[in-house]
Amino acid sequence: QKEVEQDPGPLSVPEGAIVSLNCTYSNSAFQYFMWYRQYSRKGPELLMYTYSSGNKEDGRFTAQVDKSSKYISLFIRDSQPSDSATYLCAMWGGADGLTFGKGTHLIIQP
Amino acid sequence: EAGVTQFPSHSVIEKGQTVTLRCDPISGHDNLYWYRRVMGKEIKFLLHFVKESKQDESGMPNNRFLAERTGGTYSTLKVQPAELEDSGVYFCASSQMGVSTEAFFGQGTRLTVV
Repeated sequence: QKEVEQDPGPLSVPEGAIVSLNCTYSNSAFQYFMWYRQYSRKGPELLMYTYSSGNKEDGRFTAQVDKSSKYISLFIRDSQPSDSATYLCAMWGGADGLTFGKGTHLIIQP
Repeated sequence: EAGVTQFPSHSVIEKGQTVTLRCDPISGHDNLYWYRRVMGKEIKFLLHFVKESKQDESGMPNNRFLAERTGGTYSTLKVQPAELEDSGVYFCASSQMGVSTEAFFGQGTRLTVV
């Protein structure tokens, strides 16, 4: 079993829809949970991070962490074509580097 | 402010040759990380520098990989000799001391070993 599972997609939704992206994980030592956005041929760009369980909102983006279920989500409201990218979840337990999911390729149809 | 810069952006070398990748972190960032993404796989941690010291190199695949960070500024990752399975995208990231959760990534170096 991989430490972090993430559906690679592609996930295609119409413009304006609410997008839900998810990851599950197995290592209970993870305390910090991040979401990165990566455009083609670019490096990952940090969108937001959350410590432990709970919600965090930043503009159209909301991150949720449920440590009891080892499940994290990223919601994008009022999705735009410019949101089309690969979204990577990543986790950190305080040591080593980040542990990434494979990334979900998201397509927002105009 | 300049972001994390990596050179070259793309390198094609033959099996058995040597390649050196370079990373210039954001000025003032003490933490520097190397990651690698092999095709079809997730991004994997390779190693972590704090200033010029290797904090953790548990992700380095084998002794053909050598990372250095002279003077705590830029870092190099040398692969010698390169093998076919070393192909992938190598990312560098940096963060401020004590803020490992806010790491900024470079655009990556795409390495192709033929």
